[in-house]
Amino acid sequence: DAGVTQSPTHLIKTRGQQVTLRCSPKSGHDTVSWYQQALGQGPQFIFQYYEEEERQRGNFPDRFSGHQFPNYSSELNVNALLLGDSALYLCASSLVGHNSETQYFGPGTRLLVL
Amino acid sequence: AQKITQTQPGMFVQEKEAVTLDCTYDTSDPSYGLFWYKQPSSGEMIFLIYQGSYDQQNATEGRYSLNFQKARKSANLVISASQLGDSAMYFCAMREGVWNDYKLSFGAGTTVTVRA
Repeated sequence: DAGVTQSPTHLIKTRGQQVTLRCSPKSGHDTVSWYQQALGQGPQFIFQYYEEEERQRGNFPDRFSGHQFPNYSSELNVNALLLGDSALYLCASSLVGHNSETQYFGPGTRLLVL
Repeated sequence: AQKITQTQPGMFVQEKEAVTLDCTYDTSDPSYGLFWYKQPSSGEMIFLIYQGSYDQQNATEGRYSLNFQKARKSANLVISASQLGDSAMYFCAMREGVWNDYKLSFGAGTTVTVRA
């Protein structure tokens, strides 16, 4: 039973660049959520996708956008990167209406913006 | 206002002993869920245990149990018989209004170090 996978594992970008992170949900799951975790802090919710639509969004600027594909995988795009975007980006998947919609996380992508 | 408060930045525990990690939460919604996750240094967030606001009994999963005190708005995690592999960061999280709010709100975490 495949868990949540994310790619790439690490990424280095410079200010102003754009980045795309990818996530494949756990087998059988239909919902993907993205979180940003700065060093030494708890994760912060960016947004959640279900049925290829953004279902809910956290307090993040429009530079952060996403997409969900028909196979339930998802992308997180960040434009005009800032130094403060350096963080661990976590993807989580869940199944609507099941198991209290418990979110299962992937290993994360570590983004460093120079 | 902070929705989840974890007041213990770090804790040390002897191998084979039990440890309690504190978590208090703030919500006015009668429907909510509380979660605990473990994050080793590798970064992956591992789901440990869940407690629903309407659950009558405290949740248990193997060596993990949740001490749920609804009136005090606390959801402490108890790890029994600690093992060296339990050394990690532990996060308490809440999902409010389970029918229309899907995000998890996390606390700042507690670092647990298990000593041999």
